[in-house]
Amino acid sequence: GESVGLHLPTLSVQEGDNSIINCAYSNSASDYFIWYKQESGKGPQFIIDIRSNMDKRQGQRVTVLLNKTVKHLSLQIAATQPGDSAVYFCAENGDTGNQFYFGTGTSLTVIP
Amino acid sequence: DVKVTQSSRYLVKRTGEKVFLECVQDMDHENMFWYRQDPGLGLRLIYFSYDVKMKEKGDIPEGYSVSREKKERFSLILESASTNQTSMYLCASNTEGSNRPQHFGDGTRLSIL
Repeated sequence: GESVGLHLPTLSVQEGDNSIINCAYSNSASDYFIWYKQESGKGPQFIIDIRSNMDKRQGQRVTVLLNKTVKHLSLQIAATQPGDSAVYFCAENGDTGNQFYFGTGTSLTVIP
Repeated sequence: DVKVTQSSRYLVKRTGEKVFLECVQDMDHENMFWYRQDPGLGLRLIYFSYDVKMKEKGDIPEGYSVSREKKERFSLILESASTNQTSMYLCASNTEGSNRPQHFGDGTRLSIL
């Protein structure tokens, strides 16, 4: 999962396996959450979002799960591919609605 | 697709210089943001703007200023660059209203020598 600190959490998975990346968010007032993917040398790319009135949302090969009770967010990637190798981080909107607070990220490496 | 373009991918400047980082978005977004990204610290908000000529301080505005003279363009200014401002700078934009994802440029990696 993500954490504040000097070391980026890492996750290595075999190609074709499913990946689960976790995020603990901090503000119980947050009602909107986003997962971003950041490849080396590029800016963060929007993957999927979820509002607090939902527990689960699915996209293409990705699923986001939200557990408001424990303030936990997860991103599941099905049939992980080498192109999925990147840093993934979550964002929450806090009290303001339009400012976002970002996790430090998890580095996903897909082993061919 | 939303396009956020940052004028430079890499920039090297000297201590004390005035540095301009430029960002342009093509989706008529009302909101624009400047972040810096440092290892282990995630993205930290420097400044943001909800409209032309409007600006708000983020979490770490010290040593920076911004300019938004046109809706599509948001500039970050380092008044007198220092080595601790060496970082990756990311610009983002989104449309008005809550619960709207921010869309990012590819960043400017700035080194202050």
